[in-house]
Amino acid sequence: DQQVKQNSPSLSVQEGRISILNCDYTNSMFDYFLWYKKYPAEGPTFLISISSIKDKNEDGRFTVFLNKSAKHLSLHIVPSQPGDSAVYFCAATYRNSGNTPLVFGKGTRLSVIA
Amino acid sequence: GAGVSQSPSNKVTEKGKDVELRCDPISGHTALYWYRQRLGQGLEFLIYFQGNSAPDKSGLPSDRFSAERTGESVSTLTIQRTQQEDSAVYLCASSRWAGNDQPQHFGDGTRLSIL
Repeated sequence: DQQVKQNSPSLSVQEGRISILNCDYTNSMFDYFLWYKKYPAEGPTFLISISSIKDKNEDGRFTVFLNKSAKHLSLHIVPSQPGDSAVYFCAATYRNSGNTPLVFGKGTRLSVIA
Repeated sequence: GAGVSQSPSNKVTEKGKDVELRCDPISGHTALYWYRQRLGQGLEFLIYFQGNSAPDKSGLPSDRFSAERTGESVSTLTIQRTQQEDSAVYLCASSRWAGNDQPQHFGDGTRLSIL
């Protein structure tokens, strides 16, 4: 049973336009969300995160939006660049007495076309 | 080195053999995680270390899988009597400490292929 879902396996966007990557989750205990970017033959690299006490976090061209009532988050990249072409993973976790591992979605492959 | 280092980068072995995968975390990182990614799937949590103790082994898929960590340094993931379904990319990550505000930094993974 997937707790973190990325329903679009792939997305193509023109260079300079906005890329919107979506992620849905089912576990209402999740309170911290992250996006990772992965190039072929490399490990995922951390991109941006958001805590459930916020609904938006921005870092340069990357903005993550969180809609807790809909259990939905999205990553916006604007403007998109060819170097953004990669697989993007949404991940979620929640606080407890220790640490919990990240729960990942299956990823969305973004292709930015020049 | 500056990042998480994993070896070997690729491993091909016959079904039934044992394999050992190695992870060198970023120096000073106390938390270490193992994940695997099967073809077309997301990353699947296997085990996590805080220091050299493993508070969470819940993701290990069977008793053929085990992991250990020496101090706050190198970790090895061992798979005994490998099966074809063990074929995956095995990823290691580390973070400064086990906290949700600490991003996990990943190595490039070991691609394991079981023939």
